[in-house]
Amino acid sequence: DIQMTQSPSSLSASVGDRVTITCRASQTISNYLNWYQQRPGTAPKLLIFSASTLESGVPLRFSGGGSGTDFTLTISSLQPEDFATYYCQQSFNAPITFGQGTRLEL
Amino acid sequence: HLQLQESGSGLVKPSQTLSLSCAVSGGSIRSGGYSWSWIRQPPGKGLEWIGYIYNSGTTYYNPSLKSRLTVSLDKSKNEISLKVSSVTAADTAVYFCARVRGSGLFDYWGQGTLVTVSS
Repeated sequence: DIQMTQSPSSLSASVGDRVTITCRASQTISNYLNWYQQRPGTAPKLLIFSASTLESGVPLRFSGGGSGTDFTLTISSLQPEDFATYYCQQSFNAPITFGQGTRLEL
Repeated sequence: HLQLQESGSGLVKPSQTLSLSCAVSGGSIRSGGYSWSWIRQPPGKGLEWIGYIYNSGTTYYNPSLKSRLTVSLDKSKNEISLKVSSVTAADTAVYFCARVRGSGLFDYWGQGTLVTVSS
């Protein structure tokens, strides 16, 4: 199985800050990397797919990058609704695996 | 607008079988180009992919659960079902169904249903 490791596991920030979350795969996954946002008590929401493509309707302050084994999710200017947990997920091969999550706190 | 809604037994006894359904509205599970998946999340923990099924009926399961899983489609009801046999407390989780687009990204999710395994 491909292991996905996110860092940091938690992050404290303020409204307006720029933050970056990293995700590392245990083997190369090309750009088969997706990012999700999960607010408490709700289902995850797809933000970015194929490492850097923004899902329709997702604000432009979100961006993704990387390829191979190292990836990033950046939020350029935090808004109150962005405080949530973020997960990366690889779809390079089965079994599909997720990172352990990064909790973004105010 | 596609919507998914999970339902099923919220409390299951150890060693019994967990059974859930996912009703899809606003679209057909027969639609080409998509498959359907189950994902679970133990309380306070991360996400675990369970398996997915194509509209042809072909399934792919997480090897860690494969021996206990059955995922199927009911095209007449536009539903996806999940059965997990021989459950233990480790199967306690919120179970989500999701549509799979492309190479394995989950673009629509149900709201999730909590299943507790306890005697």
